[in-house]
Amino acid sequence: AQSVAQPEDQVNVAEGNPLTVKCTYSVSGNPYLFWYVQYPNRGLQFLLKYITGDNLVKGSYGFEAEFNKSQTSFHLKKPSALVSDSALYFCAVRDRGSSASKIIFGSGTRLSIRP
Amino acid sequence: DAGVIQSPRHEVTEMGQEVTLRCKPISGHDYLFWYRQTMMRGLELLIYFNNNVPIDDSGMPEDRFSAKMPNASFSTLKIQPSEPRDSAVYFCASSSSMVPNQPQHFGDGTRLSIL
Repeated sequence: AQSVAQPEDQVNVAEGNPLTVKCTYSVSGNPYLFWYVQYPNRGLQFLLKYITGDNLVKGSYGFEAEFNKSQTSFHLKKPSALVSDSALYFCAVRDRGSSASKIIFGSGTRLSIRP
Repeated sequence: DAGVIQSPRHEVTEMGQEVTLRCKPISGHDYLFWYRQTMMRGLELLIYFNNNVPIDDSGMPEDRFSAKMPNASFSTLKIQPSEPRDSAVYFCASSSSMVPNQPQHFGDGTRLSIL
């Protein structure tokens, strides 16, 4: 069975500092991994995905994520946080061997950037 | 380029009433997903369709919930009769199998309040 864990309900960072939002996953095969962001009163928006190749994936708004197979992690990072990055972030996984198109979402991490 | 369109954006109704939520997926997308988001349970997949056919409805909480997709451009999620515990934000998302591992595109949701 597939699962995703986001161990932190909330992450607080000062503007200008680097940020990391953690994600670990469990799948029976190789994973496809995604990060989404949700702003207030909006739907989830796609940020980036890992399919294959380079373990460091770059996405929208200056975000990047590093795939680490040995640690089964896919942490989201940004070198310098902005107040506008404050939002709810979701990690998601799909088993590469699965014929289904559904993906499993983590519980979400609320990122708060203080000025 | 229109995204996923959901209506209504907000719905307030009394317990026992029938509620119908509507979704128009992105044109050309052959997968459609219905999710429910609450503080307590996070984001839950209720049901998804492929080419208008329900594939997995294991997330539908009770027989009070039903979903249909009469054509490629329209889907409904119906709750009858509604209960206060159904209060949540309901999201519709769509994706295309023609683009491998394309992320799901979400609508902005319907905020449902059952009094």
